Amino acid sequence: NAGVTQTPKFRVLKTGQSMTLLCAQDMNHEYMYWYRQDPGMGLRLIHYSVGEGTTAKGEVPDGYNVSRLKKQNFLLGLESAAPSQTSVYFCASSYPERVGTEAFFGQGTRLTVV
Amino acid sequence: AQSVTQLGSHVSVSEGALVLLRCNYSSSVPPYLFWYVQYPNQGLQLLLKYTTGATLVKGINGFEAEFKKSETSFHLTKPSAHMSDAAEYFCAVSVNFNKFYFGSGTKLNVKP
Repeated sequence: NAGVTQTPKFRVLKTGQSMTLLCAQDMNHEYMYWYRQDPGMGLRLIHYSVGEGTTAKGEVPDGYNVSRLKKQNFLLGLESAAPSQTSVYFCASSYPERVGTEAFFGQGTRLTVV
Repeated sequence: AQSVTQLGSHVSVSEGALVLLRCNYSSSVPPYLFWYVQYPNQGLQLLLKYTTGATLVKGINGFEAEFKKSETSFHLTKPSAHMSDAAEYFCAVSVNFNKFYFGSGTKLNVKP
């Protein structure tokens, strides 16, 4: 079982470039999330989706866009990358129909913006 | 609003000693509580969770945590630390729409 798969694992961007991070899950989960992890700040929610075709803003959505065209995929886009977006990005999914279910995480994407 | 506070960004213990990682939360509704572990350059793995029922929950690798509503705490413990426990630990709370809010993390160092 693959679980949650993120691509790419590493990327270096120049300021102003754009890119898309892909998250795929094979667990038929309804909810998917994008987090960023920065030293000393834990994980902060960027955007999330409660089902195919839906998206919503999290705590730190500025500078990012997302799309959920298929239930199994959740894309995170950076239209014009900035050094402040240097971070480790994690995708997660959960199955909310079960009370108190946990989030399942991918292995992360380490992004550096120079 | 929900928030999670982890006291101590770095904790160092000797191998065989008690591990205690502290987590306090604030939530306007009864929360679900989680502890995750992150090994270097990896994603987060679930250690244990509290949903309802027994307030002392046991997880993997000998860890356990106790939900104390009156103290709004969910501290993580392990009686005897092992070198392989060295990692970063995150406490999280989940409320409406299953959104997860994380603490800032505690890095555990285990000395031989």
